[in-house]
Amino acid sequence: NAGVTQTPKFRILKIGQSMTLQCTQDMNHNYMYWYRQDPGMGLKLIYYSVGAGITDKGEVPNGYNVSRSTTEDFPLRLELAAPSQTSVYFCASSPYRDAADSPLHFGNGTRLTVT
Amino acid sequence: GQQLNQSPQSMFIQEGEDVSMNCTSSSIFNTWLWYKQDPGEGPVLLIALYKAGELTSNGRLTAQFGITRKDSFLNISASIPSDVGIYFCAGPLYNFNKFYFGSGTKLNVKP
Repeated sequence: NAGVTQTPKFRILKIGQSMTLQCTQDMNHNYMYWYRQDPGMGLKLIYYSVGAGITDKGEVPNGYNVSRSTTEDFPLRLELAAPSQTSVYFCASSPYRDAADSPLHFGNGTRLTVT
Repeated sequence: GQQLNQSPQSMFIQEGEDVSMNCTSSSIFNTWLWYKQDPGEGPVLLIALYKAGELTSNGRLTAQFGITRKDSFLNISASIPSDVGIYFCAGPLYNFNKFYFGSGTKLNVKP
């Protein structure tokens, strides 16, 4: 059981370049999330999705876009990379709306550096 | 945005010692979650709390949901080197679509 899989693990981008961070889960979870973690900080929610075809903004959505065409995949797109987007990005999923039954399951992260 | 304040920010303790950390918020939470993050990995759920006053254990870990619903505490007894990592509190606010995380407590354990 793979759980939540993120690719790539590491990436270095130049300012202005674009890239897509991939996230896929094999647990048939409806809810998926993208967080970023800056050094010494907690996780900030970028975008989330409550099901295929539905996405919504979190705390820090500027500079990012997402799509959810299938239940399994939730890619995060950076169109014009900026140094402020240097961070570790975590994708997570959960099965139900009620947190009592649905703790977040995290991937192992993508470490992105923008120079 | 919503802030969850964790303290202390970091701790250096000797193996075998007990550890306490806490998380506070200006808003009421109906659920408190405690996660641990090992270096280079994503956070993993340790304990979930669902009712004010609830005390829940998971091995050497014990967490409590504060009576005011604005705070939570995590205790680790008889620490061991593998307890090293960053501990986060988290909770959903208003609806379960958004989980907010504290800034973490970094734990270092000296053998």
